[in-house]
Parts: sequence; C-alpha cells; structure tokens
Amino acid sequence: DAGVIQSPRHEVTEMGQEVTLRCKPISGHNSLFWYRQTMMRGLELLIYFNNNVPIDDSGMPEDRFSAKMPNASFSTLKIQPSEPRDSAVYFCASSVGQGSYGYTFGSGTRLTVV
Amino acid sequence: GESVGLHLPTLSVQEGDNSIINCAYSNSASDYFIWYKQESGKGPQFIIDIRSNMDKRQGQRVTVLLNKTVKHLSLQIAATQPGDSAVYFCAENIAGSGSRLTFGEGTQLTVNP
Repeated sequence: DAGVIQSPRHEVTEMGQEVTLRCKPISGHNSLFWYRQTMMRGLELLIYFNNNVPIDDSGMPEDRFSAKMPNASFSTLKIQPSEPRDSAVYFCASSVGQGSYGYTFGSGTRLTVV
Repeated sequence: GESVGLHLPTLSVQEGDNSIINCAYSNSASDYFIWYKQESGKGPQFIIDIRSNMDKRQGQRVTVLLNKTVKHLSLQIAATQPGDSAVYFCAENIAGSGSRLTFGEGTQLTVNP
C-alpha cells in the first residue's frame, strides 16, 4: 500500500503564478480531503469529496482556489493567481467513505509563494 | 508588522515516563474523536479513536480517555520513547457534519533520553 501520494513535495513560485497540487488517494477509498496547515491557523479543511463529488467546500478561502476530482484516483487543488499568504503545507487525505473518519494523510506539499 | 504564529503547548518528558496530552472541545454534538501524531516533515498519522458512547479505549502503549461532562479528551502514552517526539492533535467529528474533522491546535511532545 503506497498510501496517499501527493506531488510535488515542494513548490516555490512567484506571486501571480498558477499553482497546481496533485493527490492520488488510497485505492478503494471513496472520500478525499484537502487540508491546509499554517502556524497561524493550524490544520484547516478546505474541501472534501465523496465518490468524486464535492460535498463541502466552505473552507476554500476564495475564488482563487479550486479543486477537482475527475476520477476516483486523482484530485487537484489549483490556486490562480497565487499570493504570498497562500504559503503553507497542503495535505491531501483519504478515507474509506462516508461515516469513516480515520483519514490517511499524504506527506503534504510545502508551497512557498514569493 | 511581523506575524505571530501559534505557540503550541509543549510537554517535555523523560524517556520511560508516561505522558498525558490533553484536549478540550466545546461542541456537545461532537460524537467521534481521533488522536493524530505528526512528525516533522510528515503528514498527521492516525493513533487511536474513540466514540462518544465510550469513556476509555486502549491501544498499544496508548490510552484515550473521554470525559463528556467537561468536554475533555486525553491521550496517555506509556513508557514514552524518543520516537514518540512529535506534535499530537486531537480531532473531532460533529454529528451531522458529514466526514469533516476539526483539528485542535496540537501539543508538542519532546522526549528527553
């Protein structure tokens, strides 16, 4: 079991550029979550999907953020345009499905916007 | 001005001692709780969970206690080892909120050899 796979591990980009973070959940897991971790705000849920359908996106900060899950094995989180305040570690997590809360987290993507 | 980050609560223990990490929650509708461990540079890792119809649950070297009266959760680690050094988060699921987990601020545990 390779676990939840995120790419890239590190991303440094200039303000105004588009950033795309990628996630491959554990095979057979039906729920996928995107979290952001900062020193100021801790771990925040951005959005989660059940069976590829977005269920709760109330944590997405603003229209610059978008997330997609085109199939059960892939999800993206896009920031366009990026800003320095978006600098954080972004985690993807997956779980078996609705009602199962034992998430498995990926190793995260550390994003730095300069 | 300069931004100020979270100042994590810290707990420093000697190797071999028992550790107790505490967590308070505020929502009486929370019905499921999980403890996660996060090592530097890694994602949070599931340790143990407990449902609100239980007061205590034990795992390997870890015990979670739930006091619903005062909305308090604790994680006890027996015979703490240097490898236990990490940030520990409690997370809660509120009934009716779907699969959303809300995480606490975390506690930094340092184990001294």
